[in-house]
Amino acid sequence: EPEVTQTPSHQVTQMGQEVILRCVPISNHLYFYWYRQILGQKVEFLVSFYNNEISEKSEIFDDQFSVERPDGSNFTLKIRSTKLEDSAMYFCASEFSSYNEQFFGPGTRLTVL
Amino acid sequence: AQKITQTQPGMFVQEKEAVTLDCTYDTSDPSYGLFWYKQPSSGEMIFLIYQGSYDQQNATEGRYSLNFQKARKSANLVISASQLGDSAMYFCAMRLSNYQLIWGAGTKLIIKP
Repeated sequence: EPEVTQTPSHQVTQMGQEVILRCVPISNHLYFYWYRQILGQKVEFLVSFYNNEISEKSEIFDDQFSVERPDGSNFTLKIRSTKLEDSAMYFCASEFSSYNEQFFGPGTRLTVL
Repeated sequence: AQKITQTQPGMFVQEKEAVTLDCTYDTSDPSYGLFWYKQPSSGEMIFLIYQGSYDQQNATEGRYSLNFQKARKSANLVISASQLGDSAMYFCAMRLSNYQLIWGAGTKLIIKP
């Protein structure tokens, strides 16, 4: 069964460093998302991506964040200068069309020291 | 305001009993979708069930059913014949017209043997 994959599973970085979180969505899916979940808290929407551009972003998704689909298979989230409060689980999700199930990847746990 | 409310932070249920997890929502969108996801302690997000706002019948998926009461704006998840493996966090989420998911705070379900 096709699945969304994410790498790395755990990333530890120093404050101020850049990190890139990678996702490989399901191959025929058209809509892509990043969410984050701070430990013990609810899941928060970051950004949605369709047709090679951002379709929606939350207020969390400030200038420190960017997304890219560089090669038609990977979908990346870059945080330019990490802050302590960026420590969270980051989930990538994809779906074939709207009003369908969003398939989630296993998440990347980001720890900023 | 678009909002999902899960009023039960935690629940203990005896194995083999049925359990209802509450979810109420608020939206001005005429068309929306409601999802339930399960998050085990390992952290991944597992899709359980989906209900569209225009669906006439309540959604069912195996032991999971969604008690959708549109006038009350509630979308409770019912798990029949609970099993030890059902112990997890359960999140209710609402799909908006811009495709992003708005999440509830979650309910931690513990099944007792």
